[in-house]
Amino acid sequence: DVKVTQSSRYLVKRTGEKVFLECVQDMDHENMFWYRQDPGLGLRLIYFSYDVKMKEKGDIPEGYSVSREKKERFSLILESASTNQTSMYLCASRPPGGEVNEQYFGPGTRLTVT
Amino acid sequence: AQSVTQLDSHVSVSEGTPVLLRCNYSSSYSPSLFWYVQHPNKGLQLLLKYTSAATLVKGINGFEAEFKKSETSFHLTKPSAHMSDAAEYFCVVSVNTGGFKTIFGAGTRLFVKA
Repeated sequence: DVKVTQSSRYLVKRTGEKVFLECVQDMDHENMFWYRQDPGLGLRLIYFSYDVKMKEKGDIPEGYSVSREKKERFSLILESASTNQTSMYLCASRPPGGEVNEQYFGPGTRLTVT
Repeated sequence: AQSVTQLDSHVSVSEGTPVLLRCNYSSSYSPSLFWYVQHPNKGLQLLLKYTSAATLVKGINGFEAEFKKSETSFHLTKPSAHMSDAAEYFCVVSVNTGGFKTIFGAGTRLFVKA
């Protein structure tokens, strides 16, 4: 079974703090993704990575950055957290073969910024 | 441009009655189509996918979906709802345009009454 784990299930941070969300997958997938999920908006792509040290902006990258130093790990960074970044954050990985393949999701991190 | 519309934000059924969750898509390319389910406080799990093979796709837990190109639809059905089906369901369209393009619907929350 593919396993995607996220470092925290729940996180509370203060405005202006730097926040790190970690994601690890154990299936040697090249592709990894970070989404945020908000009610009524579905999932929106923040960043994705096709390989180590490679990253591409998604639909809503503003206020976020990412790091992929190892194939299995993809980190999302909020440089200076703001209240409008309160959300559920989902990490996913996908095997090679492109968009015909499904993504495997972690359990999510519910981030609250106060 | 690609888009996906889930026609109902909420659906309520009684246990043992049929389930219909509606999804329409728009795509300039041949799409791959997916349905994912998300139980409370969990990540997304793949229910089924269509990738240009049989138009009637069977998934897990008794769900199935039919790809209808003429109607640009990919509705999810189940003959008999179970209490454990209560969750949020996402319709997803993916296309290979030489770059990543996967779009999630806004989600449909399914309620199952005893």
